Amino acid sequence: DIVMTQSPDSLAVSLGERATINCKSSQSVLYSSNNKNYLGWYQQKPGQPPKLLIYWASTRESGVPDRFSGSGSGTDFTLTISSLQAEDVAVYYCHQYYRTWTFGQGTKVEVK
Amino acid sequence: QITLKESGPTLVKPTQTLTLTCTFSGFSLSTSGVGVAWIRQPPGKALEWLALIYWDDDKRYSPSLKSRLTITKDTSKNQVVLTMTNMDPVDTATYYCAHRYTLAGAFDYWGQGTLVTVSS
Repeated sequence: DIVMTQSPDSLAVSLGERATINCKSSQSVLYSSNNKNYLGWYQQKPGQPPKLLIYWASTRESGVPDRFSGSGSGTDFTLTISSLQAEDVAVYYCHQYYRTWTFGQGTKVEVK
Repeated sequence: QITLKESGPTLVKPTQTLTLTCTFSGFSLSTSGVGVAWIRQPPGKALEWLALIYWDDDKRYSPSLKSRLTITKDTSKNQVVLTMTNMDPVDTATYYCAHRYTLAGAFDYWGQGTLVTVSS
């Protein structure tokens, strides 16, 4: 299995400030034949299913605000919320789909 | 509009077999590139992928649970069924089904989930 490790486990950010979540995979999720990183990010609010935010490491899903962005390649990835809004309080998961499917342990984002 | 909905028992006894059904609409599981997965989440814990079935009946299972899982599809009914044998209290979780299409690669649509409790 490819193990996904997120950091930090939780963070508190002031409204309007930047939030950064890191995700590291135990092996590369970059598929060389198409130069795509098989990495996605989800947002999960209490009592709700996960919502896809980002796929192919940096492609924003339709309807996702542009304050959410994904970056990185190979084994190291980042989800950035450029200006935290109250509705962004949630747990965020990274997810690899390079070889079967595994998720990170989650990062809880709260308002400071 | 793609929707998925999970159904099945809310309570099962240890050693019993769990059968969950995912009923979906807005897509066909006979369309090339489409897959439906099962993912679970114990209370307060992270997501765990369990199984996935593709449009061509290709099936993938979590290595750690493979011996206990079976995934099938009924294209005419727009349903995917997951069975998990020998249930244990550690299998208590919310079970989700989710849609996958090769264009995005990730799971882009999810059901609301169904909480299954394993207890005698």
